[in-house]
Amino acid sequence: IAGITQAPTSQILAAGRRMTLRCTQDMRHNAMYWYRQDLGLGLRLIHYSNTAGTTGKGEVPDGYSVSRANTDDFPLTLASTVPSQTSVYFCASSARDGSDSPLHFGNGTRLTVT
Amino acid sequence: GQNIDQPTEMTATEGAIVQINCTYQTSGFNGLFWYQQHAGEAPTFLSYNVLDGLEEKGRFSSFLSRSKGYSYLLLKELQMKDSASYLCATMDSNYQLIWGAGTKLIIKP
Repeated sequence: IAGITQAPTSQILAAGRRMTLRCTQDMRHNAMYWYRQDLGLGLRLIHYSNTAGTTGKGEVPDGYSVSRANTDDFPLTLASTVPSQTSVYFCASSARDGSDSPLHFGNGTRLTVT
Repeated sequence: GQNIDQPTEMTATEGAIVQINCTYQTSGFNGLFWYQQHAGEAPTFLSYNVLDGLEEKGRFSSFLSRSKGYSYLLLKELQMKDSASYLCATMDSNYQLIWGAGTKLIIKP
């Protein structure tokens, strides 16, 4: 089934640990995104990639890094986690950036930093 | 600054009609999206408006007035499965999506 796969589904870890959230899509979409969703706030863009080999910073990039070595994979790394990074993280993709192409979302990763 | 406002929560009755409003102020405008998000799940695309007017898709319709910075999502013949959050998002001049906090819609029998 075509779509976006995120892993893990959920994770609890102590502050200061390194964590990588995985995201893979099989729709051959050019653009990919990482969002965080917190109660009472809209989705906030962390990082994005318009095409393989390029990445850009979103609204809340501090403490996060991404890479886009190929079209399908777009991992998000938290180098040293802090409690404020407790959130639900969604990976998304679209056929083309900057267009009316809707976003397709993964099922999310619920991250708790203690 | 850029801002999107939508009601936090709404309640409606099964079989009825509900209108969810969204007002926005963004730097430029390249369209407005509505997404549905069931609790604990990912958002899914409902509609896209870039021109003024009403777009109808079955039980769901979306309206846009660019001059007023206003959109609404109209849900007809409400079903219990329509209980979800509805997210409004606009695309600004840089083609970045700005998201509202979402409206939680509760459907009662």
